This record gives sequence, C-alpha cells and structure tokens, in this order.
Amino acid sequence: DQQVKQNSPSLSVQEGRISILNCDYTNSMFDYFLWYKKYPAEGPTFLISISSIKDKNEDGRFTVFLNKSAKHLSLHIVPSQPGDSAVYFCAAMFSGGYNKLIFGAGTRLAVHP
Amino acid sequence: GAGVSQTPSNKVTEKGKYVELRCDPISGHTALYWYRQSLGQGPEFLIYFQGTGAADDSGLPNDRFFAVRPEGSVSTLKIQRTERGDSAVYLCASSKTGTGAENIQYFGAGTRLSVL
Repeated sequence: DQQVKQNSPSLSVQEGRISILNCDYTNSMFDYFLWYKKYPAEGPTFLISISSIKDKNEDGRFTVFLNKSAKHLSLHIVPSQPGDSAVYFCAAMFSGGYNKLIFGAGTRLAVHP
Repeated sequence: GAGVSQTPSNKVTEKGKYVELRCDPISGHTALYWYRQSLGQGPEFLIYFQGTGAADDSGLPNDRFFAVRPEGSVSTLKIQRTERGDSAVYLCASSKTGTGAENIQYFGAGTRLSVL
C-alpha cells in the first residue's frame, strides 16, 4: 500500500523553463511534507518543506504547493538549471510521531540546455 | 565530521553471511534513522533511535535485522543470514531531535549492499 505516490518516473525540461514535479498521498494523518533531491552516489539532500497549515512555501527558485483536499502537492522549479538534474523524492510524515518519513518512488528530472 | 558518515560505502557478501553496516551521525544529533532503498523505489523506513534506545523498529522486515546505538552516537545495523533480497542501499539519517517537524533529517551517502 503506497501512501505516497510520484506517478511520473521521469521528466525532461529545457533550461530556463519551469519544472513541475507532482506527488499524491493517501494518509490524511500526514501533516508535514518534504522534498529531497538526490544525486548519484550521494544521500538525499533536503530541499524544501511545507506544513499542512499552509498551501504554499517558497525558497528562491523552489516553491512547493499543497492541496489538502486533493491530497496533492507539487514542486515548482523556476527557472530550471542543468544543475537541477537529479532524482526528486517527495516525503510525508505525521509530526506528532517520531518524524518517520514515508517516501515516494522519486522522479528523475533532466534539465537540458 | 560535518555530515552523516556511513561505512563501508559498498559491501559485497555471499548469501547466508552476516554483515554490519555503520552510521556515524552529525555530532549532537540525538535522533538517528535507518532506511533501505531498493532499486527504483524511494527510501523505506526501518528503525528510529532516540538516544540509545530504539523508539520505533516497526520497519525492520524480520528478525534477521537488528540495530544498536549503545552510546547514543554511532549506530550499527546488523543483518544475519543475508538473502539476495536484502540487496539494496542502506541509508542512515540524523536530526537534532526526533520530534517537531522542523527537525530536518540529514542523510548519509549510504551503504550499497550486494548479496550474491
């Protein structure tokens, strides 16, 4: 039973354009959501997060949107750069517990010149 | 060190052997997590330590898997009688505490375990 789903295994975007990565979840107990970025042979690196009391959080070129009623979140990267090419994982958790992260399967983003 | 350190980076073993994977968390972090990432999937939670004790081991797949953190710092994940299905990247993460959503988990580079 996959509680966090990233339905697009890969995404290709031209440099300078917007990248939109999507994530869906099923467990309504989740109240905190994170995006991690992973390069080959490295561990996941925290990128940006959002609490369920918000619907948007922005950090530079990265913005995360949360639609609680649809149990959907998305990560927008504007403008996309070649260095953004990596695997992006969506993760969810219940903050009243032990911060155990439930991850999606990831989306591989390729930004080409 | 500045980040989470995991050793070895790669481990090749034969079916039925015993392996130990080590994690050295960020200094001062009391919370430590182990995850397992199989090919084409996201990391999957295994166990969480708060200090020396395992507060949540609900993700350990069976009793061949065991983890310790005797002094509240370094942790060792132990796998007995390894099976080919245990082949995966084992990731360790640490955070300042284990509660409060603002406590971000920082991951090590992982140990790639291959069971032949």
